[in-house]
Amino acid sequence: DAKTTQPNSMESNEEEPVHLPCNHSTISGTDYIHWYRQLPSQGPEYVIHGLTSNVNNRMASLAIAEDRKSSTLILHRATLRDAAVYYCILSTSGTYKYIFGTGTRLKVLA
Amino acid sequence: DAEITQSPRHKITETGRQVTLACHQTWNHNNMFWYRQDLGHGLRLIHYSYGVHDTNKGEVSDGYSVSRSNTEDLPLTLESAASSQTSVYFCASSESGQGYGYTFGSGTRLTVV
Repeated sequence: DAKTTQPNSMESNEEEPVHLPCNHSTISGTDYIHWYRQLPSQGPEYVIHGLTSNVNNRMASLAIAEDRKSSTLILHRATLRDAAVYYCILSTSGTYKYIFGTGTRLKVLA
Repeated sequence: DAEITQSPRHKITETGRQVTLACHQTWNHNNMFWYRQDLGHGLRLIHYSYGVHDTNKGEVSDGYSVSRSNTEDLPLTLESAASSQTSVYFCASSESGQGYGYTFGSGTRLTVV
């Protein structure tokens, strides 16, 4: 399973954009990039996913590097409710299991 | 509304006892997964299933077993509970296909004393 590397923690001010990076230098051509987040005392929840092109949804945007060796989750305006651990995960075509890393703990400052 | 439920939410058991954690989903998802999360760590995959009668070992399967007799349920059994299995356990389900994400349950906090 291809691995991802994320910073252990990041801080952001409320109502400012947040860019959460993820390196996945061993990604293969058919690996999807998924982002999940886990709020305190809850199970993880889906945020966004993509393969090659940038993706947007109501929660966030996903920017994927042209060589696909890295990606960035963008929260356009951080709120206190966005304080969570964010996980970047790769999934290989044909398998549906996720191997979680340790994620990035995002702290949002009021 | 479709949902995924885990029970119990909290359980305390003694070392050596057999324990079963329940996971039930009404999404009609083919895929189901069990993870454990230890304090301050990420999630580790225990077992997973891609359909009825299919089960597969994950990263940390020793001491755990699962069986899938129907689409809705994937119970996780600890054959002989050990203190090292004190953890929060999360169940998840997903549809087949790369475009589908996981839906997680709320977790079961298990303490082995």
